[in-house]
Amino acid sequence: DTGVSQNPRHKITKRGQNVTFRCDPISEHNRLYWYRQTLGQGPEFLTYFQNEAQLEKSRLLSDRFSAERPKGSFSTLEIQRTEQGDSAMYLCASSSIGFGELFFGEGSRLTVL
Amino acid sequence: KNEVEQSPQNLTAQEGEFITINCSYSVGISALHWLQQHPGGGIVSLFMLSSGKKKHGRLIATINIQEKHSSLHITASHPRDSAVYICAVVNNNDMRFGAGTRLTVKP
Repeated sequence: DTGVSQNPRHKITKRGQNVTFRCDPISEHNRLYWYRQTLGQGPEFLTYFQNEAQLEKSRLLSDRFSAERPKGSFSTLEIQRTEQGDSAMYLCASSSIGFGELFFGEGSRLTVL
Repeated sequence: KNEVEQSPQNLTAQEGEFITINCSYSVGISALHWLQQHPGGGIVSLFMLSSGKKKHGRLIATINIQEKHSSLHITASHPRDSAVYICAVVNNNDMRFGAGTRLTVKP
């Protein structure tokens, strides 16, 4: 296993379009986390899963955002009706225990024009 | 006021210098992470600690739970240490991040 992978690495879209990001965690990790990072800022927590259950959602996750982890393996983060303020790096991480050592993917950078 | 404050925001050092990055937080935590982010975005976990001190190579992390403060030290700094160092605290089922400290080590 080569670690956490995310795709696409970069997505450019027009305002109002829907986008979906995928995260494949380290295979034996049951925890999966999504974060958002804007330029010059630290990451912000969005949501996390334990296996297929979504246990926590940040208030940052508006109703245009939805995350799933249907089989407890890979996860998707969908943003509907994108806005320019959604432009950011979307980071995924996984861990074997709750908020234990985190392994991050390279991130998916979203640019909304 | 942010719940996780890091200082300094930017730090420039000469190769070989001893580096200290500080993190103060205002919430109760169960653990604190130090992360390293290189240009291009990749984040690597350096330490997770809930008490005391941990050491890995030239890196040392300490935490004082009573004072709600943690420090990351780098001994014998090297240009390859240049990165953004991020402190993150685990609070209930949430994780709060500092804005990061941008370290530049000059040869």
